[in-house]
Amino acid sequence: QAQLVQSGGGLVKPGGSLRLSCAASGFTFSDSYMTWIRQTPGKGLEWVSYLSSSGTVVNYADSVRGRFAISRDNAKRSLYLQMNSLRAEDTAVYYCASLEPFHWGQGTLVTVSS
Amino acid sequence: DIQMTQSPSSLSASVGDRVTITCQATEDISNYLNWYQQKPGKAPNLLIHDASTLETGVPSRFRGSGSGTDFTFTISSLQPEDIATYYCQQYDDLPYTFGQGTKLEI
Repeated sequence: QAQLVQSGGGLVKPGGSLRLSCAASGFTFSDSYMTWIRQTPGKGLEWVSYLSSSGTVVNYADSVRGRFAISRDNAKRSLYLQMNSLRAEDTAVYYCASLEPFHWGQGTLVTVSS
Repeated sequence: DIQMTQSPSSLSASVGDRVTITCQATEDISNYLNWYQQKPGKAPNLLIHDASTLETGVPSRFRGSGSGTDFTFTISSLQPEDIATYYCQQYDDLPYTFGQGTKLEI
């Protein structure tokens, strides 16, 4: 059974950094594009970044470009999101997800507040 | 990016009602459309892929249809456990974008 287990997240001050992790099992992680999606309280779903299976294709939403970095380690079956220069508007639940097949992590809350 | 316009944004219905949600893409996405159900505090749960194919274990009262730019999601007879927010998502072109969501209430 496919599973994505997230870790990281928490409370951080504006301007601070945080790293999210996502561990995959039950599907061929190394063949899958992966993505980070976030959801602000009471709002909809916004894609943040995606990364190809080999790591050669990457893209970021304009709102995070230059501040966030997505990466993966296929040997460890893991996806990461390094978040720097965090702002209050980055406060959200962050989900990792695989693309085709579509599997989602459980989500982790990131709160940016002084 | 492909924009997905979902309507209505909220919907109040009664148990047993037929409920319909629409999703429109800004360009032809063939049938590359997912429908998700999200309950409070939980990750979205994939109900339908390829616009009309039910995931294993999803009740048959859920139905998806459409292709190209216009899609419909229907619950034939609303049940109390269907109270949730529903999202469409296109996966024809990266980034895979979402509709704004439809909050279903009884």
